Amino acid sequence: QQQVKQSPQSLIVQKGGISIINCAYENTAFDYFPWYQQFPGKGPALLIAIRPDVSEKKEGRFTISFNKSAKQFSLHIMDSQPGDSATYFCAASLDNYGQNFVFGPGTRLSVLP
Amino acid sequence: ETGVTQSPTHLIKTRGQQVTLRCSSQSGHNTVSWYQQALGQGPQFIFQYYREEENGRGNFPPRFSGLQFPNYSSELNVNALELDDSALYLCASSLPVYRGDYGYTFGSGTRLTVV
Repeated sequence: QQQVKQSPQSLIVQKGGISIINCAYENTAFDYFPWYQQFPGKGPALLIAIRPDVSEKKEGRFTISFNKSAKQFSLHIMDSQPGDSATYFCAASLDNYGQNFVFGPGTRLSVLP
Repeated sequence: ETGVTQSPTHLIKTRGQQVTLRCSSQSGHNTVSWYQQALGQGPQFIFQYYREEENGRGNFPPRFSGLQFPNYSSELNVNALELDDSALYLCASSLPVYRGDYGYTFGSGTRLTVV
């Protein structure tokens, strides 16, 4: 029940295209859903996050869509750029101990020039 | 404002040895969490420290232990190293949850190789 599933495992997109990464969870107690971006040799960096009382959140080219009834959420990267090439992790948090996240296995995104 | 710094960046140890990894939290952050990231996988929560006390623990054996110091820096200790302990160890600092800020700041990690 603590697992967060993520797909696809890898994704190749042309420059200017839309990248879509999907995640699903089982535990309905999760109440915070961040997305992290990780470049090789670096730690993950917070990209955007959403709470279950909101169905969509947009920040620049990045949008989270959240479907509470389906227990699914997704990251959309509009106008994808080669600099977006990185590994993306979705995560979910239980609020009982604060900020201890359960991470998905990651999606390796490659944006071709 | 400084970010999260971890040391060392790389480390090679022999099976059965002990290792200590260090983390300095971001300025103003008093909560520190440690994660293990195996190659090609997402980070897995080890434990969290708040006010020098362990404040939550993931599914890791007792040979993984930690400390937090009054300046909020932290150590992760692993005893009796096993080959499967080879991973990137990430430290993340944050504000206390009651501040309503749920963002972590991760360090760049320590790459531990057990041979």
